[in-house]
Amino acid sequence: DADVTQTPRNRITKTGKRIMLECSQTKGHDRMYWYRQDPGLGLQLIYYSFDVKDINKGEISDGYSVSRQAQAKFSLSLESAIPNQTALYFCATSDPTGSGGGVQFFGPGTRLTVL
Amino acid sequence: TQLLEQSPQFLSIQEGENLTVYCNSSSVFSSLQWYRQEPGEGPVLLVTVVTGGEVKKLKRLTFQFGDARKDSSLHITAAQPGDTGLYLCAGGDSGGSNYKLTFGKGTLLTVNP
Repeated sequence: DADVTQTPRNRITKTGKRIMLECSQTKGHDRMYWYRQDPGLGLQLIYYSFDVKDINKGEISDGYSVSRQAQAKFSLSLESAIPNQTALYFCATSDPTGSGGGVQFFGPGTRLTVL
Repeated sequence: TQLLEQSPQFLSIQEGENLTVYCNSSSVFSSLQWYRQEPGEGPVLLVTVVTGGEVKKLKRLTFQFGDARKDSSLHITAAQPGDTGLYLCAGGDSGGSNYKLTFGKGTLLTVNP
């Protein structure tokens, strides 16, 4: 079984709709992240969380919100989706211990299309 | 804001050729990670380099971290079609907490048989 899972894997929605993307992990990591990936732009950090009570904005948090329901679950919401939020979304986890640490483990991604 | 510039953005070569991908910044990073991403999947870690001047080898892949910890390179020897994918470099936060990575935009490599 995959260590980091994301649901749904694909979603098509309309402008103005509220969308929730979910992420679950079995790695036991405290740190979780949400990224979006656009062609030619690499990975951009949306939000990150060090533990259930600690949530931080990333580079591009406008238009997004998150919820850390438990150590293993981190959800991303688009309150009112717009077409330029069409992208590939990745959840990741990391364990801060160890040298050179911060290695991130990614889920398989959610492809979101906003019409 | 820390930025990582990757070059080239696209690379298409024939099987058996050698190639080098570069990752450059004006900022110092506490570590530099290389990931490979295949279509429909998330990035997967290839290697982490931590010490300035460090060189790591992973079969036909050689990774180097610059002496000043501002740049890195990935060299592939005798590329194979299975090497095809998006290669991403990522710099660890220089504050030492390693809690956040800055990603380059990636190099899309295609190895033709």
